Amino acid sequence: AQSVAQPEDQVNVAEGNPLTVKCTYSVSGNPYLFWYVQYPNRGLQFLLKYITGDNLVKGSYGFEAEFNKSQTSFHLKKPSALVSDSALYFCAVRDSSRSSASKIIFGSGTRLSIRP
Amino acid sequence: DTGVSQNPRHKITKRGQNVTFRCDPISEHNRLYWYRQTLGQGPEFLTYFQNEAQLEKSRLLSDRFSAERPKGSFSTLEIQRTEQGDSAMYLCASSLGTGGNSNQPQHFGDGTRLSIL
Repeated sequence: AQSVAQPEDQVNVAEGNPLTVKCTYSVSGNPYLFWYVQYPNRGLQFLLKYITGDNLVKGSYGFEAEFNKSQTSFHLKKPSALVSDSALYFCAVRDSSRSSASKIIFGSGTRLSIRP
Repeated sequence: DTGVSQNPRHKITKRGQNVTFRCDPISEHNRLYWYRQTLGQGPEFLTYFQNEAQLEKSRLLSDRFSAERPKGSFSTLEIQRTEQGDSAMYLCASSLGTGGNSNQPQHFGDGTRLSIL
């Protein structure tokens, strides 16, 4: 079965400091991994994905994520946080071995708060 | 920008009433998904269409729930005899997919927030 864990409900960072939002996953095959961001009363916005290739993936708004197969992790990072990065972040996984093209499993989310 | 559009944005209704939500996906996207999101949780998969065919349904989708995508474009999600536990944000997403596998990201609408009195 697929699963995603985001161990931190909230992450607090000072503006200008680096940030990390953690994500670990479990799939039976090779993972497709995604990060999404959600602002209040809005849908989810796609940030980046890992399918194959380089373990470091760059995405929107200066975010990047590092795929680590041995640790089954896909942590989201940004070198210098902005106040406008404050939002709810979701990690998601899909098992590439599944024949169905549908099901993505989302984590429970991490609220990122950037203080000025 | 013609992103995913959902209507209405908010729906308040009394327990026992029927409600219907609409989703208009990105026009060239052949895949459409419905999710439910409750406060403090990530989206939970409900169902998925490829063109007009409903290919997968979650066990969360009880017999009070029905979804359609009659012409392979817009979709509707109907909840009959609503219950307090149906209160949630209902999200629609679409993506472009080919073959039996897809690594394309899903693009989400802003959701319909349902409140059951």
